[in-house]
Amino acid sequence: KQEVTQIPAALSVPEGENLVLNCSFTDSAIYNLQWFRQDPGKGLTSLLLIQSSQREQTSGRLNASLDKSSGRSTLYIAASQPGDSATYLCAVKSGGFKTIFGAGTRLFVKA
Amino acid sequence: GAGVSQSPSNKVTEKGKDVELRCDPISGHTALYWYRQRLGQGLEFLIYFQGNSAPDKSGLPSDRFSAERTGESVSTLTIQRTQQEDSAVYLCASSFGQGQGYEQYFGPGTRLTVT
Repeated sequence: KQEVTQIPAALSVPEGENLVLNCSFTDSAIYNLQWFRQDPGKGLTSLLLIQSSQREQTSGRLNASLDKSSGRSTLYIAASQPGDSATYLCAVKSGGFKTIFGAGTRLFVKA
Repeated sequence: GAGVSQSPSNKVTEKGKDVELRCDPISGHTALYWYRQRLGQGLEFLIYFQGNSAPDKSGLPSDRFSAERTGESVSTLTIQRTQQEDSAVYLCASSFGQGQGYEQYFGPGTRLTVT
């Protein structure tokens, strides 16, 4: 059974800092891994998707990496801004097409 | 273009009543997913559709929950005899296909409150 864990659960950083969010999963037989942000009271916004055959994806200040063999993904945010404050969710799609979400990392960027 | 839409945005119902939640996916998206998010908790996978078929219904919490999809478009999640534990935000997502390269796009959710 796939389990997804995100560390840390919460993070507070000053504006401008680079930061790394971690996601680990127990079953390496995955289809893809997707990072989302969720703002309070709102739906999810897709940030990056990494296919099983890929090692990383980049979009603007965001870079996500995937190491299937160790069951890990990281989301790197460069030069953080107050607008980056949100909950970041990692989601793993495995066999059977179920998608399992981590509990999220709540990020607060202080101005 | 239009994203995933869900209705109603909020629903308050009395315990024991039935509710229907609707999801309109992005046009052309063949895959559709339902999730539940209880207050302060992560997303819980409920069911997915490929076309109008749901190959795996094991994520549905109980037999009070059912879902259908018609015309490879709109989907309805029905909860019968609602209980207070059903209170949550119900989120729908769609993707162009089931392959590994397809992102899921989420709707804004339906907040269900059972009193």
